[in-house]
Amino acid sequence: DTGVSQDPRHKITKRGQNVTFRCDPISEHNRLYWYRQTLGQGPEFLTYFQNEAQLEKSRLLSDRFSAERPKGSFSTLEIQRTEQGDSAMYLCASSLRGATTHHEKLFFGSGTQLSVL
Amino acid sequence: AQSVSQHNHHVILSEAASLELGCNYSYGGTVNLFWYVQYPGQHLQLLLKYFSGDPLVKGIKGFEAEFIKSKFSFNLRKPSVQWSDTAEYFCAVNPSGTGGYNKLIFGAGTRLAVHP
Repeated sequence: DTGVSQDPRHKITKRGQNVTFRCDPISEHNRLYWYRQTLGQGPEFLTYFQNEAQLEKSRLLSDRFSAERPKGSFSTLEIQRTEQGDSAMYLCASSLRGATTHHEKLFFGSGTQLSVL
Repeated sequence: AQSVSQHNHHVILSEAASLELGCNYSYGGTVNLFWYVQYPGQHLQLLLKYFSGDPLVKGIKGFEAEFIKSKFSFNLRKPSVQWSDTAEYFCAVNPSGTGGYNKLIFGAGTRLAVHP
């Protein structure tokens, strides 16, 4: 168990509905990442937080997507007006900022599998 | 655009066979390189990483990878696989200049099945 928790594990929704996922990182970790993985592909970077600040958003994140990390602890990823193309595994990872990226190790959660019907 | 290519999508081996999984990346600058593994029903976990120095990197469970800069490659190897190595393997790159954080670019993955 890596210590990164994601909830729910699975979510089935109808097209047009809003969904929200939660990620609880390892408690002392100040960095949090969201990745998305579609079938047959590797994870793709979506966004990154350092503490509560969202420092980068991928162009993959349309206006329908929003992520927050209030108080620098857990994070939520919301998708509004879901589309079938949003069906994917949404992965969260956390890390403790090191002196360089060499010292930083990502710990991934088990992900939330979203199916949009 | 930066990308990572993994040549084999599926590999089937018998126990004790040798393994080599190919990985090539397209980025001309300094890169940090990783192999991640995902065992059935489990989360992604780091197998090994290369940042600098000796291009032959040793990781957990007897895996190693060799960084060949001239070929933009970072192939994963294991001399003798076990049934427990059955998993999906992802090569990933972190191009330098991404602000000092792990914005990884992953390959599509290779599914390895090891038969007893």
